[in-house]
Amino acid sequence: DIQMTQSPSTLSASVGDRVTITCRASQSISNLLAWYQHRPGRAPKLLIYKTSSLRSGVPSRFSGSASGTEFILTINSLQPDDFATYYCQQVYSYPLTFGGGTKVEI
Amino acid sequence: ELELLESGGDLVQSGGSLRLSCAGSGVIFRIYGMGWVRQAPGKGLEWVSSFTSTAGGTTYYSASVKGRFVISRDTSKNTLYLQINNLRVEDTAMYYCVRYGEGYRELAYWGQGTQVTVSS
Repeated sequence: DIQMTQSPSTLSASVGDRVTITCRASQSISNLLAWYQHRPGRAPKLLIYKTSSLRSGVPSRFSGSASGTEFILTINSLQPDDFATYYCQQVYSYPLTFGGGTKVEI
Repeated sequence: ELELLESGGDLVQSGGSLRLSCAGSGVIFRIYGMGWVRQAPGKGLEWVSSFTSTAGGTTYYSASVKGRFVISRDTSKNTLYLQINNLRVEDTAMYYCVRYGEGYRELAYWGQGTQVTVSS
């Protein structure tokens, strides 16, 4: 199974900050990585797929990139709605595996 | 507007069974892969099972549920199911129904979830 190691597990930031979250795959997954946002009491929401494709309707302050097996989610100019937990997920092979999550808090 | 509505979650005793349902509106089930993801209290997201859109459908399961859970779908009813047998306390979680997106297996659509609680 492919392991996804996400860091940091918690991140403290302020409105307007630029934040980055990293996810490392235990083996090559090509560009088949997705990022999700999960706010308490709500269903998770797809932000980015195939490493860097922004889902329609998602603000452009969210972006994704990669270098080898390291994947990065960047949020430019953090907004109040962005305080949430973020997960990466490899969709290269089954079982589809999530990272452990990054909680972005004030 | 695509909507996924889960039902069937309940409080059950260890060893019991449940069938979760996911009714979709505005979605053609046979075209897209679908599945289930769960979140245990205080834990992260865990992929549970998928039913692909290939001819006849192919099913996949996480190691923690294989042999106890069965995923199926009824395209005539636009409904996805998850039969959960031999429930364990560690199966306690919110179960989300998901639909794949247009890209490649990304989980583009999520239901609001149904709560399964297993008591010992």
